Amino acid sequence: SAVISQKPSRDICQRGTSLTIQCQVDSQVTMMFWYRQQPGQSLTLIATANQGSEATYESGFVIDKFPISRPNLTFSTLTVSNMSPEDSSIYLCSVSDGAQYFGPGTRLLVL
Amino acid sequence: EDQVTQSPEALRLQEGESSSLNCSYTVSGLRGLFWYRQDPGKGPEFLFTLYSAGEEKEKERLKATLTKKESFLHITAPKPEDSATYLCAVQPLQDSGGSNYKLTFGKGTLLTVNP
Repeated sequence: SAVISQKPSRDICQRGTSLTIQCQVDSQVTMMFWYRQQPGQSLTLIATANQGSEATYESGFVIDKFPISRPNLTFSTLTVSNMSPEDSSIYLCSVSDGAQYFGPGTRLLVL
Repeated sequence: EDQVTQSPEALRLQEGESSSLNCSYTVSGLRGLFWYRQDPGKGPEFLFTLYSAGEEKEKERLKATLTKKESFLHITAPKPEDSATYLCAVQPLQDSGGSNYKLTFGKGTLLTVNP
């Protein structure tokens, strides 16, 4: 399975600011996914990021709030824009080769 | 809409005390059912994929089974290192957006194994 790393591993941010999360994979993958895991809740898919095309967002998530880049087959970024305390969560990237494999996550606290 | 319900929410076992975790699901057509283990502060770790009713898979003290409505994760003679949250997820044959990659997760079962 692919080895996935994320940066930063955690951050504390002020409301109104933005944070960009990086996801790096050790092999080329076609599809990358961004999930959110809020406290006490299940993992929820934010969007699917394909290289060379616009990301596909799930219901309830919009590009202005969560812009995504996918410049190549091993890297993607998710930006959480204009943050509020409700954005405090764990953000996870994953890749698929049949099963989905997850990175270690980015723990975000918005004050 | 795909739904996944896991029970119990939390389970406390003594070392060596076998038990089962349940994952009930509704999906229009099932491509696969996935089990993950998640340790505190880490991302989910893939355990198993099950594709059809009657299928079973084993890994060390864990065995996953699948029916048309639910999956069980059986834990035999657990050890304290098996303590974690176990997550279940379903993948549809094709979701409403035309994708067949989206996973719908349950909220998980927090397993604690005491020595």
